Amino acid sequence: GNSVTQMEGPVTLSEEAFLTINCTYTATGYPSLFWYVQYPGEGLQLLLKATKADDKGSNKGFEATYRKETTSFHLEKGSVQVSDSAVYFCALSEFGNEKLTFGTGTRLTIIP
Amino acid sequence: GAVVSQHPSWVICKSGTSVKIECRSLDFQATTMFWYRQFPKQSLMLMATSNEGSKATYEQGVEKDKFLINHASLTLSTLTVTSAHPEDSSFYICSAPEALNNSPLHFGNGTRLTVT
Repeated sequence: GNSVTQMEGPVTLSEEAFLTINCTYTATGYPSLFWYVQYPGEGLQLLLKATKADDKGSNKGFEATYRKETTSFHLEKGSVQVSDSAVYFCALSEFGNEKLTFGTGTRLTIIP
Repeated sequence: GAVVSQHPSWVICKSGTSVKIECRSLDFQATTMFWYRQFPKQSLMLMATSNEGSKATYEQGVEKDKFLINHASLTLSTLTVTSAHPEDSSFYICSAPEALNNSPLHFGNGTRLTVT
């Protein structure tokens, strides 16, 4: 079956540091890949996505590239801000974006 | 933008009682809604797909009689945890797509259930 493995947290960084949250996947087909973010007290929101190999999703300064050869979709941001503190979920779907398989989530805390 | 409202945000109940969680799409119609469950430090696990006007589709290992799902209208799905036990304590989240294929999934804020 499908599965998503992401970097365990929590992750604590100083403001303006470089961020990487690793995500790898296994899938029987050719999935779409997603990063969702959950800010404190809010529901999950789509941060970015990629639907085919070598696609790069980007949003709010975050980027992730769909790497089929390494089955990875690592999330990166060059300079994090306190407002980026949240829980980040990597996910995949083989049927459009309806049924999602999630990773465990990584809690990110940015300190001033 | 489109919003999914989930209620209650948290609930504490006694063993043996039932708890109903509501999931509403506020400004769009949702023929399908998804119910997820998350244990501490674990992934969100899909429990079931709620289908308006028909029976829900449950994932393997999820007890249908334990987790009753009703999708009575195009904007409301409910999850009832029947005869709750402490092991049912968890975080439950619903989501709904605006339309099939390539539309964003909107998530509720989740419901923290604690069974004492």
